[in-house]
This record gives sequence, structure tokens and C-alpha cells, in this order.
Amino acid sequence: GEDVEQSLFLSVREGDSSVINCTYTDSSSTYLYWYKQEPGAGLQLLTYIFSNMDMKQDQRLTVLLNKKDKHLSLRIADTQTGDSAIYFCAESLGGGGNKLTFGTGTQLKVEL
Amino acid sequence: NAGVMQNPRHLVRRRGQEARLRCSPMKGHSHVYWYRQLPEEGLKFMVYLQKENIIDESGMPKERFSAEFPKEGPSILRIQQVVRGDSAAYFCASSSDRTGSGNTIYFGEGSWLTVV
Repeated sequence: GEDVEQSLFLSVREGDSSVINCTYTDSSSTYLYWYKQEPGAGLQLLTYIFSNMDMKQDQRLTVLLNKKDKHLSLRIADTQTGDSAIYFCAESLGGGGNKLTFGTGTQLKVEL
Repeated sequence: NAGVMQNPRHLVRRRGQEARLRCSPMKGHSHVYWYRQLPEEGLKFMVYLQKENIIDESGMPKERFSAEFPKEGPSILRIQQVVRGDSAAYFCASSSDRTGSGNTIYFGEGSWLTVV
């Protein structure tokens, strides 16, 4: 079955790195995604990684995938106050038509 | 290239009324997905449609909810006889194909339904 879990809260100081973690259970996941949601807004796709990759870097964002442990992380370097939001990881099964299973979301709070 | 467009952004309905939410996918996208986000929760898949076809409705409640994606016009999520528990944000997403082979899934800004 599909189940995606995340810790609920993370608080960091401005300028520090943030690491948001996610675990999933379905080993047949093909793509894993990170979305950002600001209050009252929609979901912004931040980055995604194909399941045969270990790491993907995009400017301040680094995604690490440990397929053996079914663990995904998002690292945000030099975290800014504008990064405060809820971050969702999601998995898709590819051939299942891009149906996404979302985690519960991690609320990131950036303090000055 | 406009993104996924949803309207209305906010909708208030009394218990027992009908709610209709509309979604126009990104240009060139023929696959539409509806998700529901209950307060303080993650998004839950509801239904996946292609033009004129429902492909997967495994997340749709058995009663009162229906979805369509006609040949012309936007996709519509319809909720009949709304109840307070239907209050949620409803997100539409679209993609260019179903295989997930390198494409990505884009979300609209959401429609916030409040049932009073």
C-alpha cells in the first residue's frame, strides 16, 4: 500500500540549512516530488527526482533519495524567511497515470 | 503559457446546496486530476480524467461527488447536497501524459469551499 510520512514541524534560523525528511512505503514509486505551499495558496513544484537517481541539486535545493530505506530528503541551503511554508513530498507510480500520494506536510518556520 | 486555472477561488455554500468547481488545464495538457485538502492535512487524490473519460475515480466519495472533463471546456467537479465535512480546498492538476516519463504535474491555485 501507499503511505508517505513527514515530520510536522521544523524551525531553523535564517541563513542555516533546513533538512526536511520523508519516508514512503511503496517500492514501485517511479518519481518523487517536493512541493511548497504558502498559506492560502496552491502548490508550487520545487523539484522532483526519478527513482533511479540518488541525488539531484538545483540551486539552493538538494534532494537525496535512499531507495533501500525508502527515505527522501530536501535540503534548503541558506534558508530565508521567504522559505517559510509547508513542504509536501509526494510519490507517483508512473504507469499509474501520475496519481500522486502526498505526505502530511512539514511546516517550516524560519526565524531571524 | 497560462498555468492551471481554477475557479472560483473561494466558494461559500449552505448545507444542501450544490458546489461546482471548474478547472482548465495547462495548454497542451489532456490529463486532469482532482485532489482534496482537508484543513491541516495533506492532499488526497480524488479522480483522474482524460478528455471525456474517467480513468481512475478510486478516491471519489461514493455519493454526491461527480467529475467530468468534456471534449470542449473545463473539467468540473460537482458536489451535490454539500455538508460541512465537504469544506476543504480542492486542487486541480494537469499533465501532458500518463506515463510519468519525465513530465511533471502542475497544480492550480485551488478552490476553497466553505459550507455553512
